[in-house]
Amino acid sequence: QKEVEQNSGPLSVPEGAIASLNCTYSDRVSQSFFWYRQYSGKSPELIMSIYSNGDKEDGRFTAQLNKASQYVSLLIRDSQPSDSATYLCAVIIGSGNTGKLIFGQGTTLQVKP
Amino acid sequence: KAGVTQTPRYLIKTRGQQVTLSCSPISGHRSVSWYQQTPGQGLQFLFEYFSETQRNKGNFPGRFSGRQFSNSRSEMNVSTLELGDSALYLCASSRTSGGLSTDTQYFGPGTRLTVL
Repeated sequence: QKEVEQNSGPLSVPEGAIASLNCTYSDRVSQSFFWYRQYSGKSPELIMSIYSNGDKEDGRFTAQLNKASQYVSLLIRDSQPSDSATYLCAVIIGSGNTGKLIFGQGTTLQVKP
Repeated sequence: KAGVTQTPRYLIKTRGQQVTLSCSPISGHRSVSWYQQTPGQGLQFLFEYFSETQRNKGNFPGRFSGRQFSNSRSEMNVSTLELGDSALYLCASSRTSGGLSTDTQYFGPGTRLTVL
């Protein structure tokens, strides 16, 4: 089992719709979770971080965390063509000095005008 | 504030050669992490350096090594290059150690390595 798993997609949604991206992780003690966006040919950029169970909203983005189910998701409301990119889920696996940021394979999102 | 810089941006090498990549973190950042990104394997953690010490290491062979200098700049070296080492190598910096903190990791533009 991979430490962080995502559906590679592509996930295709029409402009204005809600895009839902999902991620599961294997380490039950993980405490820190991140969503990065990577445009083609560019480096990843952080869009959301979440550390507590529940929802965290930032503009059109909502991150959801369920530690009991080892599941984290990202919702993008009112999707725009400019949101078309690969979304990477990242989890700090391990704790203290042995912790490291592990990325999922990424989900490619296509927002069609 | 200047972002993370990586040099060179593009590199072409042949099998058996070695290569050294450089990463300069954001001013004030003491942690530098290195990642390899390929279409098949995605973004894979190589290692992290903090205050000149390697804090963590991913599952890569010993041909991959790194170091960090007192000014937090980091270098990554790959010896005896193989075709499979062709990838985008990204470094990311943060204020504190990635494994301990919730600090954001900021990525550089990457070095595209092609091994022929």
